[in-house]
Amino acid sequence: EADIYQTPRYLVIGTGKKITLECSQTMGHDKMYWYQQDPGMELHLIHYSYGVNSTEKGDLSSESTVSRIRTEHFPLTLESARPSHTSQYLCASSEVTSGVRREQFFGPGTRLTVL
Amino acid sequence: GNSVTQMEGPVTLSEEAFLTINCTYTATGYPSLFWYVQYPGEGLQLLLKATKADDKGSNKGFEATYRKETTSFHLEKGSVQVSDSAVYFCALSEAGGFKTIFGAGTRLFVKA
Repeated sequence: EADIYQTPRYLVIGTGKKITLECSQTMGHDKMYWYQQDPGMELHLIHYSYGVNSTEKGDLSSESTVSRIRTEHFPLTLESARPSHTSQYLCASSEVTSGVRREQFFGPGTRLTVL
Repeated sequence: GNSVTQMEGPVTLSEEAFLTINCTYTATGYPSLFWYVQYPGEGLQLLLKATKADDKGSNKGFEATYRKETTSFHLEKGSVQVSDSAVYFCALSEAGGFKTIFGAGTRLFVKA
């Protein structure tokens, strides 16, 4: 079944730890995205990718980094987590089309708490 | 630049009440318009979409019509259920663009 997966679903860690949030999709989509969702629900785009070896920063500045070595995999890394990084992180993907703009498919999210 | 504005919540309704969540947008060209729903503890999922003016998107009893003259895409449902309690996001996908622009979200509570 085509889907988009995120692990872990919940993560509680101490300040200064390095973490990687995993995102994988089985739909063969070229476009992938990372959003940060604050408690007020608003979504902020922090990274996106057009395809393999392509990554771009989003609208909200973030200390995280991403990589795209394989089409299906788009991990997000924080080298040194801080309490200000506590948030919900959502991964999404969509098709590349030249005509109609397609919807995005979202993973279930990772809720990160940094103590 | 392009933007989406949706009504602030929370919206609290009794079961079987009529729902309207207002959404207006600013965009150049002809964007596609979407409503997404986020249930507690989950990611967003597409509820309905419309790709051109006067299109009506519908799903699970929800409807929204792409109104170019009023730059609106209001979400409606004739009779809400407790299971409709969620956060609803209006969004647009720019013509020729890459990103989707989301509204701030409207939380809906439906009481039995």
